[in-house]
Amino acid sequence: QVQLVESGGGVVQPGRSLRLSCAASGFTFSSFGMYWVRQTPGKGLEWVAVIWYDGTNKYYADSVNGRFTISRDNSKNTLYLQMNSLRVEDTAVYYCARDGGPTAIFEYWGQGTLVTVSS
Amino acid sequence: EVVMTQSPATLSVSPGERAILSCRASQSVSSKLAWYQQKPGQAPRLLIYGASTRATGIPARFSGSGSGTEFTLTISSLQSEDFAVYYCQQYDNWPPWTFGQGTKVEIK
Repeated sequence: QVQLVESGGGVVQPGRSLRLSCAASGFTFSSFGMYWVRQTPGKGLEWVAVIWYDGTNKYYADSVNGRFTISRDNSKNTLYLQMNSLRVEDTAVYYCARDGGPTAIFEYWGQGTLVTVSS
Repeated sequence: EVVMTQSPATLSVSPGERAILSCRASQSVSSKLAWYQQKPGQAPRLLIYGASTRATGIPARFSGSGSGTEFTLTISSLQSEDFAVYYCQQYDNWPPWTFGQGTKVEIK
């Protein structure tokens, strides 16, 4: 069965960096686009970034563009999110999600990892 | 950016009753509309995509309808495990992919 397991969350000061990982199993990782989605109590669910199955295309939400970088290692079945210049408003639960193949939906989700940005 | 608006914010329903949730898009998204269910402490789970196609393993009591800008999720007979928050999401005009703010279905 499809499994997505995020890791790397924690408490970090504003302006610092953090890297999240998402380990995938149960499917051919190199055949699917992958997303990061975050959730805060105040703003609900927010798409953060997407990467194509082969890494050729990446898109970012305006709120993180220029600060966050999505990447993947298909040899390790792992998705990453490098988060730089973190802000208090980046505090959220971060989920990785797999797309639906031909449909750009979030078909499977990980359990999430909490990132808290606080001084 | 397509803005998704859900109503009501909270829906109080008795077990066994029907629940009808609404989602409106600020511009047409064709039928590229998905619904997700989220229970406390859990990740969202895909229920419906293509406005009306149930995802794998989703019970038949969940149904979706609509196209363009107006969509509905109907839960025909609420079970105890259905009390949760439901989100709609469009995937026609991206990036960004956008979600509604959610409808909480609570026990009446």
